[in-house]
Amino acid sequence: QVQLQESGPGLVKPSQTLSLTCTVSGGSISSGSFYWSWIRQPAGKGLEWIGRTYTGGSPNYNPSLRSRVTVSVDTSKNQFSLKLSSVTAPDTAVYYCARGKILNGFDIWGQGTMVTVSS
Amino acid sequence: DIQMTQSPSSLSGSVGDRVTITCRASQGISNYLAWYQQRPGKVPKLLIYGASTLQSGVPSRFSGSGSGTDFTLTISSLQPEDVATYYCQKYNSAPLTFGGGTKVEIK
Repeated sequence: QVQLQESGPGLVKPSQTLSLTCTVSGGSISSGSFYWSWIRQPAGKGLEWIGRTYTGGSPNYNPSLRSRVTVSVDTSKNQFSLKLSSVTAPDTAVYYCARGKILNGFDIWGQGTMVTVSS
Repeated sequence: DIQMTQSPSSLSGSVGDRVTITCRASQGISNYLAWYQQRPGKVPKLLIYGASTLQSGVPSRFSGSGSGTDFTLTISSLQPEDVATYYCQKYNSAPLTFGGGTKVEIK
């Protein structure tokens, strides 16, 4: 049973970089059938896709965040990560990591982690 | 980039009602369309992928249809546990955009 778990600071100061890690357990992040994504949800609002990475492939990003975001994978730790630079209050949200299957959408999600941008 | 538009933004139905949610893509996406259910305070859950294939374990009262630009999610008999916000999402190519969501409530 594959599980995902987000980790990282719950509070980030404005203009700093938000850094989160998603640990994959119960399966290998190196499987070629999957991609690994970050999705966020501000309180009371909808889901926003941030970006995705594959092992051995180039990442893709939401155009609205592309200049500030990096999604990368560490196969040795079976983890993938999110870095979002120059954060401001609108970046406050629950951040989810999720596994995507090439033909199936996001079938496994982490529990989500709340990140607040505030001084 | 392709935009995903859901309608209505909210709806209210009685237990046992048939409920339909629509999702429209601004360009054709074949059948690369998924539907998710997010109950209040919970993590989104994949209901349907490939526009019409039910994810394992999802009750058969849920169904999806459509191809190209127009898609629907139908709940054949609304149940109290179906109170949730439902999202469509395209996944044919990046960006993997979500629709704005449809909040379903019980009258």
